[in-house]
Amino acid sequence: TQLLEQSPQFLSIQEGENLTVYCNSSSVFSSLQWYRQEPGEGPVLLVTVVTGGEVKKLKRLTFQFGDARKDSSLHITAAQPGDTGLYLCAGARTGNQFYFGTGTSLTVIP
Amino acid sequence: DSGVTQTPKHLITATGQRVTLRCSPRSGDLSVYWYQQSLDQGLQFLIQYYNGEERAKGNILERFSAQQFPDLHSELNLSSLELGDSALYFCASSLGSQRGYGYTFGSGTRLTVV
Repeated sequence: TQLLEQSPQFLSIQEGENLTVYCNSSSVFSSLQWYRQEPGEGPVLLVTVVTGGEVKKLKRLTFQFGDARKDSSLHITAAQPGDTGLYLCAGARTGNQFYFGTGTSLTVIP
Repeated sequence: DSGVTQTPKHLITATGQRVTLRCSPRSGDLSVYWYQQSLDQGLQFLIQYYNGEERAKGNILERFSAQQFPDLHSELNLSSLELGDSALYFCASSLGSQRGYGYTFGSGTRLTVV
């Protein structure tokens, strides 16, 4: 049983479209991270959020941590083929041990 | 190059055998984490070390053990291997052990048990 459920599991969109990936749990997290993983490589950290309601923007990516610190979303504006990859959310309840979500596999078609 | 080095990159071994996976953390990072990634289970947290001491345990089997040495490199030992242990094993490091420290992952070791 995964602590964090992500949706959708798979997403295929055209270049230029917007998309949102969701990360949900019944548990409260002290911090939450988002990663992107490409085939054959380890996940690469995109962002860490620690405050309920926090919103962080990185260029075309917007991350939001839910007010109750149980959920998060990742919104990508004007997706590009370089955004293709597996997106993983990860939450920590205490300390710095992160439990990873089920993942969303994104394909952006040129 | 993330700065976290894992060796070997690939490992093929038979059931019942024992293997050791090695990880060198990014320079300056004191905390090391081991994860197992399989298609059906996703990324599963195994164990964390901080400055040589075990800090947290996750879903690590009793057949598996790990340690962090004084030079901060870490080893994950997997024994009595079963077919189901076939997976990608990742090591990650972070500066500290408190919340909010981001992980830097290595490229992983792909273990195939035949």
